[in-house]
Amino acid sequence: DAMVIQNPRYQVTQFGKPVTLSCSQTLNHNVMYWYQQKSSQAPKLLFHYYDKDFNNEADTPDNFQSRRPNTSFCFLDIRSPGLGDAAMYLCATSRERGAIESNQPQHFGDGTRLSIL
Amino acid sequence: EDQVTQSPEALRLQEGESSSLNCSYTVSGLRGLFWYRQDPGKGPEFLFTLYSAGEEKEKERLKATLTKKESFLHITAPKPEDSATYLCAVQPNTGNQFYFGTGTSLTVIP
Repeated sequence: DAMVIQNPRYQVTQFGKPVTLSCSQTLNHNVMYWYQQKSSQAPKLLFHYYDKDFNNEADTPDNFQSRRPNTSFCFLDIRSPGLGDAAMYLCATSRERGAIESNQPQHFGDGTRLSIL
Repeated sequence: EDQVTQSPEALRLQEGESSSLNCSYTVSGLRGLFWYRQDPGKGPEFLFTLYSAGEEKEKERLKATLTKKESFLHITAPKPEDSATYLCAVQPNTGNQFYFGTGTSLTVIP
């Protein structure tokens, strides 16, 4: 089945130690998103790529960066994780940004739960 | 400012006891409103898309409706397997962003 796959499912890192989370998709979707979700909170959009065009949310900390080397893969890099960065990180895709097809829903991976020691 | 508010935060129902979840939204032009189901430790699973006021969608025991200011997710005769967090999201007419509410945590007791 076509899907969005996130690795690893659980990641533990030390305070200040860089960490990279990965996401791959077999849906061939143009748009890929990274969300941060803390317990009992709404998913918060960090940034998204439309193809190779990177779009950063205004309140996304500089500590968070992303790379999309090709259509299928997208990475979230946290340069110096703090305790407040412990959360579930969700990757999502959607097909297109066009006027007719823009109502396509997002398809989510199962997330990576990040813990900071 | 685009905003999504869901209520109640948590809902406990007896099996078979029907109820509704609410999603109120403020958005500068609605491109679409989406309902998702999220199980613990999993990513959100898509349920419905609604595009315009008056629209309704149904799937098994779930029915979603949309007005110009809010959407309802009606659950008819729920079963324990319907227990999950239900998330509402809106996409404005401009940009690719999806704005989520904080969800309603539904527990259905046998």
